[in-house]
Amino acid sequence: GAGVSQSPSNKVTEKGKDVELRCDPISGHTALYWYRQSLGQGLEFLIYFQGNSAPDKSGLPSDRFSAERTGGSVSTLTIQRTQQEDSAVYLCASSLRGGNSNQPQHFGDGTRLSIL
Amino acid sequence: QKEVEQDPGPLSVPEGAIVSLNCTYSNSAFQYFMWYRQYSRKGPELLMYTYSSGNKEDGRFTAQVDKSSKYISLFIRDSQPSDSATYLCAMTPTSGTYKYIFGTGTRLKVLA
Repeated sequence: GAGVSQSPSNKVTEKGKDVELRCDPISGHTALYWYRQSLGQGLEFLIYFQGNSAPDKSGLPSDRFSAERTGGSVSTLTIQRTQQEDSAVYLCASSLRGGNSNQPQHFGDGTRLSIL
Repeated sequence: QKEVEQDPGPLSVPEGAIVSLNCTYSNSAFQYFMWYRQYSRKGPELLMYTYSSGNKEDGRFTAQVDKSSKYISLFIRDSQPSDSATYLCAMTPTSGTYKYIFGTGTRLKVLA
């Protein structure tokens, strides 16, 4: 079946612009996660959704970052007033259930964001 | 000190070799351990998913967990050039969480 789909695959923008990154999880997966992967760094957790609610936003690096999920499906990560340090690969993952069910997370191919 | 430590490599081996990839961790609460494979410009792909201590085998891949030493391993038998990728370990406690804590990844090159 279809995996996690992310768009765009690449995004280049100027410093100070806003960007929106989209994630379509695997059908039927109720939990959705956003991570950031920077060169030489491990994956850094950003936010977790269970359904449309975000019980944990603790990984969002600043108030310029926000995310929403609608219909228990598609999620959008928005970065306002982008800075050069925001350049990274943004990865989305989904799992059948979240919380302490410990279902494995399946990842999309990410959005490679470059801030000029 | 990071919660999860992983040698970044690169690790170069000849085709057919047995590969050993390792991670150490500091949080004794970790109970679930995962190995992901990531090809260049692709997302991480789940390889192995294990709970607590012991071994798990899947084809050419074997995952080992030694909780007493806080040490996990992934063995690849009869390695192939197509195994060339970055291997990421990830782990999480049993309850009340959903955040995976990842190692930085080990880059593996299998030479034909």
